[in-house]
Amino acid sequence: EAQVTQNPRYLITVTGKKLTVTCSQNMNHEYMSWYRQDPGLGLRQIYYSMNVEVTDKGDVPEGYKVSRKEKRNFPLILESPSPNQTSLYFCASTGFVGSYEQYFGPGTRLTVT
Amino acid sequence: LAKTTQPISMDSYEGQEVNITCSHNNIATNDYITWYQQFPSQGPRFIIQGYKTKVTNEVASLFIPADRKSSTLSLPRVSLSDTAVYYCLTGGGNKLTFGTGTQLKVEL
Repeated sequence: EAQVTQNPRYLITVTGKKLTVTCSQNMNHEYMSWYRQDPGLGLRQIYYSMNVEVTDKGDVPEGYKVSRKEKRNFPLILESPSPNQTSLYFCASTGFVGSYEQYFGPGTRLTVT
Repeated sequence: LAKTTQPISMDSYEGQEVNITCSHNNIATNDYITWYQQFPSQGPRFIIQGYKTKVTNEVASLFIPADRKSSTLSLPRVSLSDTAVYYCLTGGGNKLTFGTGTQLKVEL
């Protein structure tokens, strides 16, 4: 089954404790991206990747890192999480650069205390 | 970076046609317009995409006027299960921006 998976689905952590949210897709998609969703603000793009070893900032990249060492994986790294990063995070992928038909993962709800 | 504006919410009844309009005054020449649907606690789901004029699929229609400064998503004969948030999306190349979303509530 074609899908985007994220882990963990729920995470509660403390300020400053490094964490990684994994994202994996099995559709051989080139383009992957991360979004955060907050009440009243909709979906905002954090980072995106056009292919292996090619990443770029979205609209709200501060406090986040990403890597794309393999085509299928696009982890989101929070080196020193802060409470303002408490949010619902979505990973998405699309078949080729320029296509806007994105496939979204199930989401990761992160709480930073 | 195109900014989009949508109504915050809309109410409808089962069986009616719903039209949600999105404003994107600064859309770039090569930007497409895409709409997504999102249910609570789920990731958004692609509905339809267009560049100009009219596009129709099994789920919805998308109307785009000649100046492309707005677009209208049309949902025919909505049902309770169409209650969701609908996002209008524009973007050039790789940087994509979602609108604020429209909460559609469908009642009996």
